[in-house]
Amino acid sequence: EAGVAQSPRYKIIEKRQSVAFWCNPISGHATLYWYQQILGQGPKLLIQFQNNGVVDDSQLPKDRFSAERLKGVDSTLKIQPAKLEDSAVYLCASSLGLAETQYFGPGTRLLVL
Amino acid sequence: GEDVEQSLFLSVREGDSSVINCTYTDSSSTYLYWYKQEPGAGLQLLTYIFSNMDMKQDQRLTVLLNKKDKHLSLRIADTQTGDSAIYFCAEYPKGTASKLTFGTGTRLQVTL
Repeated sequence: EAGVAQSPRYKIIEKRQSVAFWCNPISGHATLYWYQQILGQGPKLLIQFQNNGVVDDSQLPKDRFSAERLKGVDSTLKIQPAKLEDSAVYLCASSLGLAETQYFGPGTRLLVL
Repeated sequence: GEDVEQSLFLSVREGDSSVINCTYTDSSSTYLYWYKQEPGAGLQLLTYIFSNMDMKQDQRLTVLLNKKDKHLSLRIADTQTGDSAIYFCAEYPKGTASKLTFGTGTRLQVTL
C-alpha cells in the first residue's frame, strides 16, 4: 500500500513570495491533516479535513495560509505572502477517520530567505 | 496546559537498552503513540498503546503506560545505530474533535 505522498520535498523562496505544497493521502483515508514542524519542536496541527470539509483550522494563520481539499482526496496548502518565520517542515498526514491512527508523509522543507 | 513533556537527549551504547520517557497531560487520552523521525524524513509510526493497557511489546520495542502518573515510556532492546533518530510521543484525548498532541521529541544517539 502506498504511503502519504508530498511534493515538493524542498523549497527555497524569498520573503513575500508565494508557495504551494501538495499532498496525496493513503487511498481510502477520509481524514487529512497539515502540520507545521519548526526546527527542534514537535509537529503542530494547522488544519484538519474530513473528506472535503474542514474540521479544525483554529491554528491556521488565515491571513496568509490557505488550504483546500476540493474532491476529498488530494490537498494543497498555500502560503501567501511568506514570512521568515514560516521556515519549517510542512507535514501531511492521513487517517481512516477522525481520531484514528495518523500516517505521515515525508514532509516539505521550506526555507524562507 | 497541553504540553506533552519529553527529555531532549539520550545517548546509549550500541547493544544496550534505551528508555525514552514521556509525561502526557490528558487523563482521558484514549491512545498514546510513539513516532520516529530520522534526519530529513517524515514521522514513522512505531507503535501505540490503548489507554486500558499497561504494557505492549512489539519485537524490540516495549511500551509501558502508568495512567496514574500519566507517564509513558518506550524501551528499545539491543539498540542499534539505525535507531538513532528523534522519538516523539503523542496523545489523543478522547473524542472525535480531539487533536493529536506531540511532545518536543527526544533525540536518541547510539554510539559504538
